[in-house]
Amino acid sequence: QQQVKQSPQSLIVQKGGISIINCAYENTAFDYFPWYQQFPGKGPALLIAIRPDVSEKKEGRFTISFNKSAKQFSLHIMDSQPGDSATYFCAAFTGGGNKLTFGTGTQLKVEL
Amino acid sequence: EAQVTQNPRYLITVTGKKLTVTCSQNMNHEYMSWYRQDPGLGLRQIYYSMNVEVTDKGDVPEGYKVSRKEKRNFPLILESPSPNQTSLYFCASSFSGRADTQYFGPGTRLTVL
Repeated sequence: QQQVKQSPQSLIVQKGGISIINCAYENTAFDYFPWYQQFPGKGPALLIAIRPDVSEKKEGRFTISFNKSAKQFSLHIMDSQPGDSATYFCAAFTGGGNKLTFGTGTQLKVEL
Repeated sequence: EAQVTQNPRYLITVTGKKLTVTCSQNMNHEYMSWYRQDPGLGLRQIYYSMNVEVTDKGDVPEGYKVSRKEKRNFPLILESPSPNQTSLYFCASSFSGRADTQYFGPGTRLTVL
């Protein structure tokens, strides 16, 4: 049972476009929501993260939108660049249990 | 350089032959964790450790063992590997267990024949 559901599985975006990746969860014990970026042959690296008491967080071209009532959050990549081509994972952290649960990943390709 | 190292990076073995994948971090982190990554399933947590001698199960602990005798090391042990443990394994560490500070190693690709 996947506790964090991520979509789409793959995404192709033109250079300069907006990439949007969505995640949904059921467990209300999740209290921290990071996004990880993974390039081929590398380990995941933290990209941006948000707490549930905040509806939006922006860092450069990357924005997380969080809807607590709907139990959904999404990653928006503005002005997408070929260098953004990677696999993106949403995740949710259970503070009380110290466990990190990942979504299934989205393979993003940004075309010229 | 602050980093998480894993060894070996690649391993091919046979069913039932005990193996250990080592993980070491040089950042004095208290929290360490092991994940496996499989296509279509993302990363799943195997075990984690909040500090020396403190370990706990993640979502997929069956068939794995860990130990935390020193703060910097967190080896993953497969006592009797099976083909369904063929996967890409990542070790990670953070200061306190908060996801925002988690640093991942480069990964170990394990094939069990």
